[in-house]
Amino acid sequence: EDQVTQSPEALRLQEGESSSLNCSYTVSGLRGLFWYRQDPGKGPEFLFTLYSAGEEKEKERLKATLTKKESFLHITAPKPEDSATYLCAVQAGFQKLVFGTGTRLLVSP
Amino acid sequence: DVKVTQSSRYLVKRTGEKVFLECVQDMDHENMFWYRQDPGLGLRLIYFSYDVKMKEKGDIPEGYSVSREKKERFSLILESASTNQTSMYLCASSLKGYELFFGSGTQLSVL
Repeated sequence: EDQVTQSPEALRLQEGESSSLNCSYTVSGLRGLFWYRQDPGKGPEFLFTLYSAGEEKEKERLKATLTKKESFLHITAPKPEDSATYLCAVQAGFQKLVFGTGTRLLVSP
Repeated sequence: DVKVTQSSRYLVKRTGEKVFLECVQDMDHENMFWYRQDPGLGLRLIYFSYDVKMKEKGDIPEGYSVSREKKERFSLILESASTNQTSMYLCASSLKGYELFFGSGTQLSVL
């Protein structure tokens, strides 16, 4: 069964304190791994797609990386506006994504 | 910008009621989805549609049905609402692939 596990559940950082979020997955043949950001009271917003081990994508202070077993979302010098829940998902069939339960990130000024 | 609009932000219904959740997208996307989001369980796919009048079951379709009569509109129907269907319901659309555009969600409470 396809599964996604995210850690930690919650993370509190000081502004400027870099860190990483983890997404480990088990899937029969990875066809795509996706990162989304969700703000309170809103739907998730797409960030990145990764397809193969070794691939990296960057957007502002965020960088996503992928290995054969896990993905990391690195946050460099975060700001309070980066506070959100970050969701990871893997493709599990035609038009189907399996989501993790997310990491709640709080960045304090 | 793509906009996915869900008709209600909050909804309170009684058990046994028939409930309609409406979703409209304005970007001519082929694919539309209904997810529910529960604490500790993440997002789970209920149904999706890849064309008008076409629908496919997701991972948790029991107790739900859907309708897509027009490309821009995708409705989720709870035939007889039950308390275990209390949840946040999220509609999404996509043109291709898995870059989903989500609505803001409908928080449904079934009493």
